[in-house]
Parts: sequence; C-alpha cells; structure tokens
Amino acid sequence: NAGVTQTPKFQVLKTGQSMTLQCAQDMNHNSMYWYRQDPGMGLRLIYYSASEGTTDKGEVPNGYNVSRLNKREFSLRLESAAPSQTSVYFCASTLDHVAGTGELFFGEGSRLTVL
Amino acid sequence: AQSVAQPEDQVNVAEGNPLTVKCTYSVSGNPYLFWYVQYPNRGLQFLLKYITGDNLVKGSYGFEAEFNKSQTSFHLKKPSALVSDSALYFCAVRDYSNTGKLIFGQGTTLQVKP
Repeated sequence: NAGVTQTPKFQVLKTGQSMTLQCAQDMNHNSMYWYRQDPGMGLRLIYYSASEGTTDKGEVPNGYNVSRLNKREFSLRLESAAPSQTSVYFCASTLDHVAGTGELFFGEGSRLTVL
Repeated sequence: AQSVAQPEDQVNVAEGNPLTVKCTYSVSGNPYLFWYVQYPNRGLQFLLKYITGDNLVKGSYGFEAEFNKSQTSFHLKKPSALVSDSALYFCAVRDYSNTGKLIFGQGTTLQVKP
C-alpha cells in the first residue's frame, strides 16, 4: 500500500523556470493538501482541495497554482520559480475533511532548490 | 484563529529517562489536537490525536499525550526515551473552517543521548 506518493523527490531549478510537483494517493481520500516546510516555521498550507473538483488557497498561495486532476491526484505548479520558494514540499490527504477526525497522511516530501 | 505553540526548539534527554515535549494551543471551541513525528529526510508520521474523551491519549511507539483544557496544553510524553526517538516533533490543531486542514507548531527537535 503506497499511501501518498510525491514526485520528484529532488529538483534544482533556476530562477524563472517552471515545474510541477505531482502527488497521488491510493487511499480513496477526498481531501488533499500541499504544505511547505521551512526551518523554524513548521508547515504552512499552500493550497488544498476539500474534494474532487474544488481547490482553495491556504496560508501562502502566492507564486503557486494547483490542479485536482481527479480524486487521486493533486499537483502543485510553480510558474516562475523564485529563490524564496526553496523549500521542502509535502502533499497530504485525509479521508473526509468534514466527518473525519482529522489525521493527515503525508508523502515523503519533494526537496526543491531554486538558484 | 486557531494556533499552536511549541515553546522549545530542542529538548535533550538521556536514554531511559522520561521525556516531555510541550505544546499549547489556542482555539475558539473544542480542539482536535495531533502529534506528528518526522525523521530526517522523511515525511510526517501520525503519532496520536485527541478528539474527545480521556485526557490521556496513547499512541504509537509508546508515546502518550495529556490534554489539559484549563492550561490549554497537549504535552507529548514517554516514560523511557530511546535513542531512536530522536527526531522532529510537531503539534497540530485542526482548523475549524471545515476544510480539514491542520495548523502546525514550529516543531521541537528531540535529542536522546545514550
């Protein structure tokens, strides 16, 4: 059982380049999330998708876009990467954001460096 | 707005000693509280949660946490620390905006020395 799978695990970009981080879950979860982790700042929510067909901004959405491709997949796109987007990105999912008791299941992370 | 605070950046304990990692929260209603652990270069792993009921919650790997409503705290504890417990620990609270998102503390690094 793979859980939450993120690709790529590592990426180095130059300022201004674009890229997409992919996330897929095989747990039939309804809700999916993208967080970024920076030292001393914990995890901050970038975007989330409460259910298939919906997406909403989180705490730090600027510079990012998302697509909920289907129930399994939720991608994060950087259109024009900036050094401030150097971070570790985590995708997470939960069964039901309304009725569930809330624990999120996380991927292994994608480590992005923008030069 | 909901928030959590982890007042210690790092906690150091000797193997075999009890450990406590502190967390305080601020919410407008009844909190859903969580602890996660992150090992180096890995994702976050769920340890335990408090939703309702007993104030002492037991979780994975021998960890437990005590919910204290009057002190708005949810400290993580373990009676006897192992070197392998060394990791980064996050406390989180569920946001009440009905989105299911979690709000995380800054994290506490636990170092267990032999």
